[in-house]
Amino acid sequence: GQSLEQPSEVTAVEGAIVQINCTYQTSGFYGLSWYQQHDGGAPTFLSYNALDGLEETGRFSSFLSRSDSYGYLLLQELQMKDSASYFCAVRDTGGFKTIFGAGTRLFVKA
Amino acid sequence: GAVVSQHPSWVICKSGTSVKIECRSLDFQATTMFWYRQFPKQSLMLMATSNEGSKATYEQGVEKDKFLINHASLTLSTLTVTSAHPEDSSFYICSAQSRGAHQPQHFGDGTRLSIL
Repeated sequence: GQSLEQPSEVTAVEGAIVQINCTYQTSGFYGLSWYQQHDGGAPTFLSYNALDGLEETGRFSSFLSRSDSYGYLLLQELQMKDSASYFCAVRDTGGFKTIFGAGTRLFVKA
Repeated sequence: GAVVSQHPSWVICKSGTSVKIECRSLDFQATTMFWYRQFPKQSLMLMATSNEGSKATYEQGVEKDKFLINHASLTLSTLTVTSAHPEDSSFYICSAQSRGAHQPQHFGDGTRLSIL
């Protein structure tokens, strides 16, 4: 079967750094994406890794190790507005279908 | 940047009604569109994938006669929930992707469907 595992909840304080891990087991792999979703809203694309290594976009970075079937999202200088759910998602071979993890709820405290 | 418009945002209707949800890519050509369903505090469940001009591919367990998907152009896909019942109440989200396997998916704002 296909599965993605990520922690269900993470709590951190403003200004801190948080890492959200994602391990996956899928029949095919074309890339790992990360999405942010605030309550009541739609997912917003954050980052995409097709190759091993670190991708940095402002305060957010994403890492992928294909040999370990593992990736993470790193959020730096946390702000209250970062409180949301974060989903990792694997795009299958051919890139035509994306499987989402269960999501990690991030609570940022003052 | 890429914008996907989904309409309507909210629908409240009586049981037995059919409801159509539109998903438009405003500034890019969406060769592939996806329809998801999401229950409160849960992940996105892929319902179907549609490529422009082709029949939609439905995920296992999704009734194709219940959830009709049309992707007639490169900028528009529609999801029709036929004869909706209270158990169909959910948050439905579309996403669109342009040609290229590594292109990101861009999501619409979602449609909250409530069947009374």
